[in-house]
Amino acid sequence: DQQVKQNSPSLSVQEGRISILNCDYTNSMFDYFLWYKKYPAEGPTFLISISSIKDKNEDGRFTVFLNKSAKHLSLHIVPSQPGDSAVYFCAASAQVGNQFYFGTGTSLTVIP
Amino acid sequence: DAGITQSPRHKVTETGTPVTLRCHQTENHRYMYWYRQDPGHGLRLIHYSYGVKDTDKGEVSDGYSVSRSKTEDFLLTLESATSSQTSVYFCAISEGWNQPQHFGDGTRLSIL
Repeated sequence: DQQVKQNSPSLSVQEGRISILNCDYTNSMFDYFLWYKKYPAEGPTFLISISSIKDKNEDGRFTVFLNKSAKHLSLHIVPSQPGDSAVYFCAASAQVGNQFYFGTGTSLTVIP
Repeated sequence: DAGITQSPRHKVTETGTPVTLRCHQTENHRYMYWYRQDPGHGLRLIHYSYGVKDTDKGEVSDGYSVSRSKTEDFLLTLESATSSQTSVYFCAISEGWNQPQHFGDGTRLSIL
């Protein structure tokens, strides 16, 4: 059973606009969340993380928002650039657990 | 980029044969992980290691074994490969537990 879900397999956005990627989770024990970016034929690359004690974390063009009551997090990319075209994975873990659980990924295409 | 090398990068083999995948790191990180990536499932943890000779099972460990005789090397073995083990396999490392992981570029394994 998928504990971390990314319900949008793909997303297309115009260059310069905002990209919003969504992630939902079911396990209320999850308290640490990450986003990864993956290009074809490469491994995932860590982008940004957020702990459950925060509701927002920002790093340059990337901002992650966490809504614990809704068990939902989102990644905002502003402004989107063609080089951002990749598959994005969210992942979650619990302090008392022993692993990260990954979503199925969202393929982002930024159109020049 | 984190110094992680996976070998081989591609392999085609037959059902019933043994297969060993190697992960080599130059970062001296304590934790190492093996994941598989399949359509509709995202990344799933197979096994992980928290030190030399210290390993534990992940979410999808059946049919796989691992060994870690040196800090830098983590081997994944399929004792008798089956077609359901056709997948892309990723190795990852991290300095500590529940910290962002850095991934290798993957091994594409096809079992005919």
